[in-house]
Amino acid sequence: NAGVTQTPKFRILKIGQSMTLQCAQDMNHNYMYWYRQDPGMGLKLIYYSVGAGITDKGEVPNGYNVSRSTTEDFPLRLELAAPSQTSVYFCASSSRDPGKQYFGPGTRLTVT
Amino acid sequence: DAKTTQPNSMESNEEEPVHLPCNHSTISGTDYIHWYRQLPSQGPEYVIHGLTSNVNNRMASLAIAEDRKSSTLILHRATLRDAAVYYCILSSDQGAQKLVFGQGTRLTINP
Repeated sequence: NAGVTQTPKFRILKIGQSMTLQCAQDMNHNYMYWYRQDPGMGLKLIYYSVGAGITDKGEVPNGYNVSRSTTEDFPLRLELAAPSQTSVYFCASSSRDPGKQYFGPGTRLTVT
Repeated sequence: DAKTTQPNSMESNEEEPVHLPCNHSTISGTDYIHWYRQLPSQGPEYVIHGLTSNVNNRMASLAIAEDRKSSTLILHRATLRDAAVYYCILSSDQGAQKLVFGQGTRLTINP
């Protein structure tokens, strides 16, 4: 199993550009999550999904959109990138049981 | 969500036990106690979780106070690879685990 994979690893965007961060998992997990981590801080939840076709907002959803058309994939869309979105983005997945989220390696995004 | 309080940093020596404390005085009856760690430049990694009883796995042990207002993550024999930021997180047992990460404890291991 590859676990949770994320692409790209690094990206530099100009202000106002858009992009999609890709996330995929091969563990047949129902739950998937997107977090961001600013320098020196803990992770903050952006969006999460409890299954294909069902998504909900987390703590910091403004400026982002998500979709979940399959169990495996959970892309995060940034529209009109802003410098405040410079961060490391982590995708995670979990099964129905409580605990044990599996995290991807992260995407480091810089908006200039 | 109930909050947790952890020391900002701790230091220990290689091959010695490490006890990482966490206070969670406002924990509710359905909250699980989770521990994750984050090695430099990596995503968080699950360590252990529990509800009421102490838990052991191959990575660590979790000791939960009888009143559940505090817990301790125990690394039995620290290695250099255990140097990381350790996060203590509370989460409901219902549905999606919307983890709320604080700033955690930065653990330094001396050779």
